[in-house]
Amino acid sequence: DAGVTQSPTHLIKTRGQQVTLRCSPKSGHDTVSWYQQALGQGPQFIFQYYEEEERQRGNFPDRFSGHQFPNYSSELNVNALLLGDSALYLCASSANVVPLHFGNGTRLTVT
Amino acid sequence: GNSVTQMEGPVTLSEEAFLTINCTYTATGYPSLFWYVQYPGEGLQLLLKATKADDKGSNKGFEATYRKETTSFHLEKGSVQVSDSAVYFCALSGYVSGGYQKVTFGTGTKLQVIP
Repeated sequence: DAGVTQSPTHLIKTRGQQVTLRCSPKSGHDTVSWYQQALGQGPQFIFQYYEEEERQRGNFPDRFSGHQFPNYSSELNVNALLLGDSALYLCASSANVVPLHFGNGTRLTVT
Repeated sequence: GNSVTQMEGPVTLSEEAFLTINCTYTATGYPSLFWYVQYPGEGLQLLLKATKADDKGSNKGFEATYRKETTSFHLEKGSVQVSDSAVYFCALSGYVSGGYQKVTFGTGTKLQVIP
């Protein structure tokens, strides 16, 4: 049984560019949450998707947007990248809200 | 809003030493509490959980008890191993405006176990 899978594992982008990160949830899970983890910090909640809709959102600007597909997979899009967007982006899936099951993340570096 | 406070790291222990990582929380209502572990280059893995007051979560020799009177969920292990070296995150799941549950994480405590 595959767990949560994220792609790509690493990504390097230039300031001002746009990026799309992808997540496939654990089998049987219908809820996907995205987190940003800066170096040495805890994960910060970006948003959560359920039934293809954004159910709740953390304190992130509109440059961060997402989508959930009918098969429950999800994308995170970040526009107009800033140096401060460099972080590990974690996807977590769940049936109901908890407990969360995390992927290994996408390491985004903005230069 | 909900918040989680963990003790500052890094924590350095010798193999077979006793481990305590402190965690306190602030939340309205009755949150569920979790400990997650993150090994280098990996995502977070659920270590243990407790869903109501006085519950004890346990896994792989780690334990934590949900103490509502002190709003705490301290992580303990009687004898640590080198393989326990990782970053440990305390987290809570509580209800926020809109009636949804949201998971809030602490900043993490790095544990280094030396042989």
